[in-house]
Amino acid sequence: NAGVTQTPKFRVLKTGQSMTLLCAQDMNHEYMYWYRQDPGMGLRLIHYSVGEGTTAKGEVPDGYNVSRLKKQNFLLGLESAAPSQTSVYFCASIDRHPGNQPQHFGDGTRLSIL
Amino acid sequence: AQSVTQLGSHVSVSEGALVLLRCNYSSSVPPYLFWYVQYPNQGLQLLLKYTSAATLVKGINGFEAEFKKSETSFHLTKPSAHMSDAAEYFCAVRYSGNTGKLIFGQGTTLQVKP
Repeated sequence: NAGVTQTPKFRVLKTGQSMTLLCAQDMNHEYMYWYRQDPGMGLRLIHYSVGEGTTAKGEVPDGYNVSRLKKQNFLLGLESAAPSQTSVYFCASIDRHPGNQPQHFGDGTRLSIL
Repeated sequence: AQSVTQLGSHVSVSEGALVLLRCNYSSSVPPYLFWYVQYPNQGLQLLLKYTSAATLVKGINGFEAEFKKSETSFHLTKPSAHMSDAAEYFCAVRYSGNTGKLIFGQGTTLQVKP
């Protein structure tokens, strides 16, 4: 019963490099989210998806792209990494008609951009 | 804009003392309300959620939260702090709509002194 799994857990990049973060959930959830966590700012929503093949911008989408080709996977891409993207990234999921149901979170990906 | 505010980025208490972490939301229409806890280098774990069945909500690890509509607050309390409660705590709200998005407070780091 894995829940939400994020890959990789740690990564160091150089400025200008690209990479993809993978989020996989095994709960058959419809909705998925990518957040970034920075000290003193809580979690901020980057992009989200309300179903396979759909994506939408969140609060801080610039510099990121996402794809949801399969229901269980939600990919976050950095095309040209910048030091300002150094952060901890969290993926979360929830089923449709969430109401008062909580989001389920992965353990995070710690990303450093040098 | 809809928002959630946690007063105090750091709270320090002695072991056995009362824990009080404050959370206020901005909407006149009560949203769905959650408290999450994050232990070092881990993801977010749900502590409790407001369900509208009762204004006092009990969560895991002896934590409680009281919903006060007149004060637009959902403060988290625990009668007696334990060393293992040291962590970062996030208040989150979900306003109306079908996307399931959460808005997080800035977080409060709880330090428990022996």
